[in-house]
Amino acid sequence: GENVEQHPSTLSVQEGDSAVIKCTYSDSASNYFPWYKQELGKGPQLIIDIRSNVGEKKDQRIAVTLNKTAKHFSLHITETQPEDSAVYFCAASRGSSASKIIFGSGTRLSIRP
Amino acid sequence: KAGVTQTPRYLIKTRGQQVTLSCSPISGHRSVSWYQQTPGQGLQFLFEYFSETQRNKGNFPGRFSGRQFSNSRSEMNVSTLELGDSALYLCASSLYRQGSTDTQYFGPGTRLTVL
Repeated sequence: GENVEQHPSTLSVQEGDSAVIKCTYSDSASNYFPWYKQELGKGPQLIIDIRSNVGEKKDQRIAVTLNKTAKHFSLHITETQPEDSAVYFCAASRGSSASKIIFGSGTRLSIRP
Repeated sequence: KAGVTQTPRYLIKTRGQQVTLSCSPISGHRSVSWYQQTPGQGLQFLFEYFSETQRNKGNFPGRFSGRQFSNSRSEMNVSTLELGDSALYLCASSLYRQGSTDTQYFGPGTRLTVL
């Protein structure tokens, strides 16, 4: 079946450094790629998303890049801060149904002070 | 605009009991989906509702059911609870526009513990 592979599963970076999380998807029909941040005791919150007609999108310290040919997309967080510590999920989606959304397994990001 | 709300936030039940969880979507959102989140299995799709109709269902036993009301609010029910049903149950809502891939907005979840 279709899947999304997410790496790494855990990531520890020094405060102020950059963090990169990578995802690979298998369904070539995927056209929407959201990233979610889940803090302890909370539900996943959308932090940034990108559609297949765009190669890169940036929002302050967060950016996402998409390589449709290689079926890769990545989340980049620059100048990391303690509040960036959380679990991050990527997802790949096609169509209007939630059943067509495939989530990655998550990356636990820890920011060292 | 208020986000997705879920009640209750925490539940403790014993095996064999049943439970009902409630979800109120973002105002204007017509589609509601439910997910089960566990450390081992990640986020798994349970079912999706639009206009009071179940559109899709994930690979879960018939003990898991749900419904949607005319105001788009949704409930899910789990009967004959098993220990393995312990999880965070997440509700998400979206606009649902035909032919468009809409963003899912998640609620805070209901933490269910089955003893």
